[in-house]
Amino acid sequence: SQTIHQWPATLVQPVGSPLSLECTVEGTSNPNLYWYRQAAGRGLQLLFYSVGIGQISSEVPQNLSASRPQDRQFILSSKKLLLSDSGFYLCAGDSGDSTDTQYFGPGTRLTVL
Amino acid sequence: QKEVEQNSGPLSVPEGAIASLNCTYSDRGSQSFFWYRQYSGKSPELIMFIYSNGDKEDGRFTAQLNKASQYVSLLIRDSQPSDSATYLCAVGAGSYQLTFGKGTKLSVIP
Repeated sequence: SQTIHQWPATLVQPVGSPLSLECTVEGTSNPNLYWYRQAAGRGLQLLFYSVGIGQISSEVPQNLSASRPQDRQFILSSKKLLLSDSGFYLCAGDSGDSTDTQYFGPGTRLTVL
Repeated sequence: QKEVEQNSGPLSVPEGAIASLNCTYSDRGSQSFFWYRQYSGKSPELIMFIYSNGDKEDGRFTAQLNKASQYVSLLIRDSQPSDSATYLCAVGAGSYQLTFGKGTKLSVIP
C-alpha cells in the first residue's frame, strides 16, 4: 500500500521568507503526485500535479512553485511568502493507473505572519 | 467548470442512528467517486470509493451512486461519536485530477 510522508507538520514563517515543503512516497512506483491547499473553512484547492520526474502542471497562478526531482519526491517552494499563503498544505499520490484513487499525507500547517 | 456540491451542515444525528450524506456533481463524464473523512486538524482519509451505479457496502458504510441523477451518497449505520468529522465527496474523470466538494460536517450526539 502507498504511504505519503510530509514534513514539517507545522511551520510559522514571516512574510517575505522562503518556503520549502517536502513530500515523499513509499510503496508505489511512478505515482502521480499532487499538492493541495486547504484554507480555513474552505475546500481543497489543487495547486500542482505531476505525472513524472520533472513534469509539473500548475492549476492556479500564484507565487508558489513545485518540483519533482525524483520519482517519489515532490517539493513545494516559494521565494517570498505572502500572508495569503497560510493554510494546510497536503500532498497526495495515486498509483498512476486510471482509478483516480488518491491518498493523502499528514499535511503541513503553514502560518505566515 | 466541474463542480461538486455538498451541504456544509452541520448534520447532527444521535448515536446509533443512520447518517446520510449527499453529493451532486456537474460533469456527466465522471467515472470515479470517493468519500473521504477528515477529522479536525488532520488530513483526509479515504473511506469508500465507487465506480458503478448502485450500492457498495463496507462495514457500517454504504456508498450509493446514481449516474443518471449525478448523485452520490454515503450512509453510515449505527453512527458513533467517533464518526464525527467532515466528509468530503470527490469525483474523478480519469484525467489525473479529482474535484472535491467543500465537505459536510457530521456531528454524532451521544
